[in-house]
Amino acid sequence: DAGVTQSPTHLIKTRGQQVTLRCSPKSGHDTVSWYQQALGQGPQFIFQYYEEEERQRGNFPDRFSGHQFPNYSSELNVNALLLGDSALYLCASSLVRDYEQYFGPGTRLTVT
Amino acid sequence: KQEVTQIPAALSVPEGENLVLNCSFTDSAIYNLQWFRQDPGKGLTSLLLIQSSQREQTSGRLNASLDKSSGRSTLYIAASQPGDSATYLCAGFNFGNEKLTFGTGTRLTIIP
Repeated sequence: DAGVTQSPTHLIKTRGQQVTLRCSPKSGHDTVSWYQQALGQGPQFIFQYYEEEERQRGNFPDRFSGHQFPNYSSELNVNALLLGDSALYLCASSLVRDYEQYFGPGTRLTVT
Repeated sequence: KQEVTQIPAALSVPEGENLVLNCSFTDSAIYNLQWFRQDPGKGLTSLLLIQSSQREQTSGRLNASLDKSSGRSTLYIAASQPGDSATYLCAGFNFGNEKLTFGTGTRLTIIP
């Protein structure tokens, strides 16, 4: 049973560029949440997707957007990258009525 | 708004000792609380989840408790081993607010 997978593992981008991160949920899960973890901090909630719609959003600007596909996989897009966007981006999956979340290994984004 | 605090930020103990990690939260209407382990640069591994109706959960050498009235949770690690060295994060989930709110973690070092 495959767990949550994320790609790529590492990514280096330049300020102003755009980036897309990908996540495949644990088998059987229908809900995907994205978190940003800056160095030395706890993860911060970005948004959650269920039935291909954004269900809830944290305190992040519109530069952060996402998508969920019919197979429940998800993408996180960040436009106009800033140095402060450098972080570990974590994807978590769950069942909509079971709130235990399972996390992937993360994507380390470095903005130079 | 849920806020989660973990003190201390770092802890070093000799191998073999029993230890307790602390987590406090402000909103007692918590639905569940999860403890995670994070190795450097890696994703989150779920250790224990305590539902609001439960008072504790156990897995091997780990025991987690939840006291909603005092806004506290503890993670007890018995007979610590060097392999337990990692950052431990707690996170609360409030019903109707479909996200995990994380503390900043306790970095644990077990000295051989």
